[in-house]
Amino acid sequence: NAGVTQTPKFRVLKTGQSMTLLCAQDMNHEYMYWYRQDPGMGLRLIHYSVGEGTTAKGEVPDGYNVSRLKKQNFLLGLESAAPSQTSVYFCASSQDSHRQPQHFGDGTRLSIL
Amino acid sequence: SQQGEEDPQALSIQEGENATMNCSYKTSINNLQWYRQNSGRGLVHLILIRSNEREKHSGRLRVTLDTSKKSSSLLITASRAADTASYFCATAASGGSYIPTFGRGTSLIVHP
Repeated sequence: NAGVTQTPKFRVLKTGQSMTLLCAQDMNHEYMYWYRQDPGMGLRLIHYSVGEGTTAKGEVPDGYNVSRLKKQNFLLGLESAAPSQTSVYFCASSQDSHRQPQHFGDGTRLSIL
Repeated sequence: SQQGEEDPQALSIQEGENATMNCSYKTSINNLQWYRQNSGRGLVHLILIRSNEREKHSGRLRVTLDTSKKSSSLLITASRAADTASYFCATAASGGSYIPTFGRGTSLIVHP
């Protein structure tokens, strides 16, 4: 039982490049989230999804897009990477409510040069 | 924003001592959750306490909630070196979307 799996674990990009981060969960959870974690800033919500085919903006959505084509997968895309997007990205899921505990992946460490 | 704020930012103690960290928030909440994050890993859920609860226990963890003061505390008793981690509170505001917002965390170091 893997829980929440994020790929890749590390990535270095050049400014202007694009990439997609993949999050997969095997718990049949409805809700999924993407966060970024920066030193001294805690976790900030980028986008979230309350079910297959749905997405919504969080606190810091600019520069990111997401898709939830399958219930178990939540993709985060950077169309044109910027140095300000250097961060650690975490995916999380919860069963069927924002009020329930979230299960986190181990993060993707992304550096934009 | 509803973001909770943990205090202190950093805490250093010896093994066997108790560790207490606090979380303060600004508006009414539906629930408050505590998470632990080990270095290089994702967050792990510890305890959820609802707004109508005042205290919850889980093993060596004790969480209290004082809604009149808009604050919560997490007590780790008889701490171990393995408790070294960052601890975050997450608050779900009532009357809204209930999307939890996370504080900046308390970094706990337990010396063997």
